[in-house]
Amino acid sequence: AQKITQTQPGMFVQEKEAVTLDCTYDTSDQSYGLFWYKQPSSGEMIFLIYQGSYDEQNATEGRYSLNFQKARKSANLVISASQLGDSAMYFCAMREGGGKLIFGQGTELSVKP
Amino acid sequence: DGGITQSPKYLFRKEGQNVTLSCEQNLNHDAMYWYRQDPGQGLRLIYYSQIVNDFQKGDIAEGYSVSREKKESFPLTVTSAQKNPTAFYLCASRPWGDSNQPQHFGDGTRLSIL
Repeated sequence: AQKITQTQPGMFVQEKEAVTLDCTYDTSDQSYGLFWYKQPSSGEMIFLIYQGSYDEQNATEGRYSLNFQKARKSANLVISASQLGDSAMYFCAMREGGGKLIFGQGTELSVKP
Repeated sequence: DGGITQSPKYLFRKEGQNVTLSCEQNLNHDAMYWYRQDPGQGLRLIYYSQIVNDFQKGDIAEGYSVSREKKESFPLTVTSAQKNPTAFYLCASRPWGDSNQPQHFGDGTRLSIL
């Protein structure tokens, strides 16, 4: 069965520093996609970044980058130059058949001034 | 602006009562999804629909029902059979055919038991 694991329930980072949020996955599919979402305290889910299993380059979107290590089945999110507004829950998700997503348990990031 | 609208934002249910959560999208997306989120947890799939008049059960469909009579609308009914309905419910949609496209989410409905 497909599974997403986020082992860091909570993380702290100093403002302006970089932080890495861990995500490992388990799948027997050759073709899959990995997504990261941000959930502020208000509850909405904000899409951040996507990585396809056949993408040769790590995905980047502004201050977000994805450290994709296929052999290790990891897809860690790197946030550079953290801002106070980055404080939120972060979820890693994997695409299943039918476009469904399975989500990890999330990591709560707190950015300190 | 295109987006997904969920209503109401907060909903209270009495014992033995069915309640319906609304989800409307004007993104012209074919696929729509309902997720449940419990405090401190990730999202779990309740139901999804890839096309009008068709839908499939997700991982936790028991005690819930859906309909998809229009492309824009995918309401979720929480029935009295759902014994622990208190949770945050999120609706999402995605264009069909390109699995690289992310799901877009509404702002959610918080359901509580009275």
